Amino acid sequence: IQLTQSPSFLSASVGDRVTITCRASQVVSNYLAWYQQKPGKGPKLLIYAASTLQSGVPSRFSGSGSGSEFTLTISSLQPEDFATYYCQQLNTYPLTFGGGTKVEIK
Amino acid sequence: EVQLVESGGGLVLPGRSLRLSCTVSGFTFADHAMHWVRQAPGKGLEWVSGINWNSATTGYADSVKGRFTISRDNAKNSLYLQMNSLTTEDTAFYYCVRNSYTYGSFDYWGQGTLVTVSS
Repeated sequence: IQLTQSPSFLSASVGDRVTITCRASQVVSNYLAWYQQKPGKGPKLLIYAASTLQSGVPSRFSGSGSGSEFTLTISSLQPEDFATYYCQQLNTYPLTFGGGTKVEIK
Repeated sequence: EVQLVESGGGLVLPGRSLRLSCTVSGFTFADHAMHWVRQAPGKGLEWVSGINWNSATTGYADSVKGRFTISRDNAKNSLYLQMNSLTTEDTAFYYCVRNSYTYGSFDYWGQGTLVTVSS
């Protein structure tokens, strides 16, 4: 299953609302997760089951969607949110990731 | 505190083999499926292989099938990846990852170990 993230890059300011889209080539139900990765670190789980916030993740992060189209929204971008974000489908093996969205400071 | 620590990476010649290890602590290893995920420098994430709690089920990406073997030793709290017939395309950071109970998401990641395949 191919996952297409858009945009691949975005430039935003602190306080902005940011939305990232992930489209799957086949239906994955709600078996979709979102991860945040900062330089030199392993990824961090943000959202699972398409819309469930992982424990300890700030509430400004939210996920929505089902089937084959999903979104990750950051309601008010904070300095620590500048990173690369990946979606992942867990419905079908081989498991696959989207190509990533790099969020940079405007 | 959950910790996953990879080791075994390094520089290796094309065609040679390497074995990665991951030692975990802070949780009951035998309760969780585990995975390896890799990331070529400056590139995205690629799932490599996974194994269920008792080693009865394993899976591999097409890119490594037949060359890589995943295994685990629950008594030693350790996960392994035997990599044979390495090519330059296998150059990447390799992450050891825990499979959560919830929808199979990957809830804890190691810091990664770098494998460089080069002549």
